[in-house]
Amino acid sequence: DIQMTQSPSTLSASVGDRVTITCRASQSISNWLAWYQQKPGKAPKLLIYKASSLEGGVPSRFSGSGSGTEFTLTISSLQPDDFATYYCQQYDSYWTFGQGTKVEIK
Amino acid sequence: EVQLVESGGGLVQPGGSLRLSCAASEFTFSNYWMNWVRQAPGKGLEWVANIKHDGSEEHYLDSVKGRFTISRDNAKKSLYLQMNSLRAEDTAMYYCAKFRDFYFDYWGQGTLVTVSS
Repeated sequence: DIQMTQSPSTLSASVGDRVTITCRASQSISNWLAWYQQKPGKAPKLLIYKASSLEGGVPSRFSGSGSGTEFTLTISSLQPDDFATYYCQQYDSYWTFGQGTKVEIK
Repeated sequence: EVQLVESGGGLVQPGGSLRLSCAASEFTFSNYWMNWVRQAPGKGLEWVANIKHDGSEEHYLDSVKGRFTISRDNAKKSLYLQMNSLRAEDTAMYYCAKFRDFYFDYWGQGTLVTVSS
């Protein structure tokens, strides 16, 4: 089974900050990685697929990069609507998620 | 806009059964793989099961194999999850999710399953 590990688990930041979340896979997954945003009481929302492709309608301040085993999600300038929990997910072999990174207000 | 609406959750005793349903609309249901993904209270996301667009292939999380069965009715645009021999650790919000190229592009709002005596 492929394990996904996100860091940090919690991130405190201010509006306007540049935020980076890291996701590491236990083995190479090429670029078969997606990122999701989840707000309390809501379903997850797709942000990024194939490691770096931005889903339609998602603001361009979100970007993804990486390949193999190390990936990052970057928010270039944090907005009030971005305080949420973010999950990475691999789809190279079956489907597994990282444990999540909560982005909270500093 | 794609819509996925889950139903069928509730409180069930350990060892009991429950059948979840997901009604799909605003896309060609019969063209897509469909999934169930769950989230235990305060925890992360966990893929549970999926089924090919024509029902000819299914995959399951190891911990639910032999207890859960995924199925679909393309004529009714509906996805199902039959859950038997339920355990406390199956307590979670269960989401129906559509695949696009093997990642999840649309999710329902979820139905809560609580396994407790």
